[in-house]
Amino acid sequence: EAQVTQNPRYLITVTGKKLTVTCSQNMNHEYMSWYRQDPGLGLRQIYYSMNVEVTDKGDVPEGYKVSRKEKRNFPLILESPSPNQTSLYFCASSLGAGGPYEQYFGPGTRLTVT
Amino acid sequence: DQQVKQNSPSLSVQEGRISILNCDYTNSMFDYFLWYKKYPAEGPTFLISISSIKDKNEDGRFTVFLNKSAKHLSLHIVPSQPGDSAVYFCAASADSNYKLTFGKGTLLTVNP
Repeated sequence: EAQVTQNPRYLITVTGKKLTVTCSQNMNHEYMSWYRQDPGLGLRQIYYSMNVEVTDKGDVPEGYKVSRKEKRNFPLILESPSPNQTSLYFCASSLGAGGPYEQYFGPGTRLTVT
Repeated sequence: DQQVKQNSPSLSVQEGRISILNCDYTNSMFDYFLWYKKYPAEGPTFLISISSIKDKNEDGRFTVFLNKSAKHLSLHIVPSQPGDSAVYFCAASADSNYKLTFGKGTLLTVNP
């Protein structure tokens, strides 16, 4: 089954404790992206990757890191999480970037930073 | 600066009637527009899209209209069904970059 998987689905952590949210897709997609969803703010893009070893900032990259060492995986790293990073996070992938390429989203990771 | 705006946070319609969800954009470089639907506890799923060279695209009960001069697009759902109740996001992209910009979403409730 074609899908985007994220782990963990739920995470509660404390300020400053490094964490990684994994994302994997099995569709051989070139493009992958991370979003956060906050009440009243909709979906905002954090980082995206055009291909292996090619990443770029989205609209809200501060406090996050990403890496794309393999085509299928695109982990999101919070080196020192803060309470304002409490949010619902979605990973997405698509065959190409922009234009007509629909993005396939993972089920989401709800992160709480206390 | 919000480049994609969905000014109605919510919309309620009766089953069988038409639902019209609106979206405005400010960036004239946007050349592709997409609508996504999101149910609670799930990721968004693609619904329908339209290129800036078209003014209408239809897929079953869903039709998207684009008015480039007004920088406005709308999603029409006819007839509306209770299963259509979800948050609908409008999104836009420009060929010159690889980002996808979303609006804040509109919660559609279809009452039986």
